[in-house]
Amino acid sequence: GAVVSQHPSRVICKSGTSVKIECRSLDFQATTMFWYRQFPKQSLMLMATSNEGSKATYEQGVEKDKFLINHASLTLSTLTVTSAHPEDSSFYICSARSGVGQNSPLHFGNGTRLTVT
Amino acid sequence: AQKITQTQPGMFVQEKEAVTLDCTYDTSDQSYGLFWYKQPSSGEMIFLIYQGSYDEQNATEGRYSLNFQKARKSANLVISASQLGDSAMYFCAMREANNNDMRFGAGTRLTVKP
Repeated sequence: GAVVSQHPSRVICKSGTSVKIECRSLDFQATTMFWYRQFPKQSLMLMATSNEGSKATYEQGVEKDKFLINHASLTLSTLTVTSAHPEDSSFYICSARSGVGQNSPLHFGNGTRLTVT
Repeated sequence: AQKITQTQPGMFVQEKEAVTLDCTYDTSDQSYGLFWYKQPSSGEMIFLIYQGSYDEQNATEGRYSLNFQKARKSANLVISASQLGDSAMYFCAMREANNNDMRFGAGTRLTVKP
């Protein structure tokens, strides 16, 4: 089945530093990947849609200069949290579709738990 | 705009019994898909079941079934013969045909009691 790999699974960084999270589709090509953010005991909120070879589409209220997305190949999208602050601490999870049909689900990575100290 | 509503923050069910998790949605599109995901404490998102807006039959996948009532815009998940391993967060989600992304409800935390 379709597998999405996300790395790292957990990261702790100091305030002011940048953190890069990788999302890879292992056995399928993904022209589009999605980045979600989840606060404790809350739902997944779509942050941005990552498009291979073009600029990402950000949801309203998401700072594009803070959350840099690069989708340089059909199997890799990266999310960089720049100048991280404690309020950026959250669970970040990426996803992709392996098919184009209406019934094709999103396949998720295992998520990255970011803690900014 | 899409909107997914899950009104049950938490649900309890006795092991081996059935439980229904509610989900209502709002869309002006005629073509859309509804999905249910399970999120254990480990954080991974596990796809459970899909229902298309044009599907006439309710979807079923093993112990999971979807009670789809299109006129009421509801897509409730039914889990039969609950198991302890079913304890998790459950999210309802929708994707409209003209959108590539998927939006999620607030989730329901299910606890299965032994």
